[in-house]
Amino acid sequence: GAGVSQSPSNKVTEKGKDVELRCDPISGHTALYWYRQSLGQGLEFLIYFQGNSAPDKSGLPSDRFSAERTGGSVSTLTIQRTQQEDSAVYLCASSHRRLAGESEQYFGPGTRLTVT
Amino acid sequence: GNSVTQMEGPVTLSEEAFLTINCTYTATGYPSLFWYVQYPGEGLQLLLKATKADDKGSNKGFEATYRKETTSFHLEKGSVQVSDSAVYFCALSAPIYNFNKFYFGSGTKLNVKP
Repeated sequence: GAGVSQSPSNKVTEKGKDVELRCDPISGHTALYWYRQSLGQGLEFLIYFQGNSAPDKSGLPSDRFSAERTGGSVSTLTIQRTQQEDSAVYLCASSHRRLAGESEQYFGPGTRLTVT
Repeated sequence: GNSVTQMEGPVTLSEEAFLTINCTYTATGYPSLFWYVQYPGEGLQLLLKATKADDKGSNKGFEATYRKETTSFHLEKGSVQVSDSAVYFCALSAPIYNFNKFYFGSGTKLNVKP
């Protein structure tokens, strides 16, 4: 079946502009995560959605970052007034809630954001 | 709280050498443990997992054993190949109520030289 998809694959934007990144999780997956991976760095957790529960936003680096998940499926990560330090690969992952804790995450290919 | 600590890289080995990448964790409850791999230019993919203490996950010649007593999940391979060059991430999934939340280590880059 289809995996996690993300769009766009690449985004170049000017400093100060807003950007929207989209994630389509695997159908039926209730959990959705956003991560940021800067060049040569590990995964930085941003936000976590699980079903209809309030999202865990503890990883968002500033109030310029926000995310929503409509209808429990597609998610959009929005970065307002982009800064050069926002340049990174933004990864989305989803997982299925089977037995609690056992489900692996499936990652999308990522969106490479470059802020000039 | 929950967290994962893995050895810093890069790790550079010659082909056919033995590999160990250390991973330790702290967790409340009974987490599942994972190793993910990111090959150059590709996305993250699951390498192996273990869901309870003393379980051994294995795939592509890699192994890791879930050690509750030492809170560790070290990745090992007996004979590495150039094609194993990648970044390896240790992760845990901790049940919170009925949900699972993932925590990743910072990644360890492996370079294998011919």
